[in-house]
Amino acid sequence: QVQLQESGPGLVEPSGTLSLTCGVSGASISISNWWSWVRQPPGKGLEWIGEISHTGTTNYNPSLNSRVTISADKSKNQFSLILNSLTAADTAIYYCARAWAESLDDWGQGSLVTVSS
Amino acid sequence: QSALTQPASVSGSPGQSIAISCTGTSSDVGGYDFISWYQQHPGKAPRLMIYEVTNRPSGVSDRFSGSKSGNTASLTISRLQAEDEADYYCCSYTSSRSYVFGTGTKVTVL
Repeated sequence: QVQLQESGPGLVEPSGTLSLTCGVSGASISISNWWSWVRQPPGKGLEWIGEISHTGTTNYNPSLNSRVTISADKSKNQFSLILNSLTAADTAIYYCARAWAESLDDWGQGSLVTVSS
Repeated sequence: QSALTQPASVSGSPGQSIAISCTGTSSDVGGYDFISWYQQHPGKAPRLMIYEVTNRPSGVSDRFSGSKSGNTASLTISRLQAEDEADYYCCSYTSSRSYVFGTGTKVTVL
């Protein structure tokens, strides 16, 4: 059973940078699969942010591409999300997930990030 | 990229069948058989219900089935149960090497 756990600050200032980490247990991020980030503004729908492969290749949502970076730390078996130039519209629950068969089969519990001064 | 179009709400009585549509374009739904469906209960993370258009992960009831025709995918829930009341989202791979979710559908069991 693969388990994922998001961690990071719950409050970030406007124009600042969001940094979240997803710790993975039960699978190695350096052996297989793609590892993804998805967000959900309160009361709204899901938005795919991007992904990183076990070889380090990344793909991003074109609408966020200029502001987002996903990286991996294989020694800690975790991957991270950085989103800069934040506005209130970036307030959301951020989920990390494992991608398998072009779908997301294991999810973290989610981490609420609020953009506010 | 624009979100895939889903009906805002669908309802049905216990035991009935309902279908949720998911409409995109030839650059996403119509171009690939990488359609997945997710169930989300309030305050919970999404759960994968269908992958690659028609396949069910282990542990998902056979009351859930998926299909696709042209630029529209569908999720059918048969023999509706109270526990099926949740939000449902479709998702498709796109020609931009990215994924796009649907707008979401709230299923109500009457």
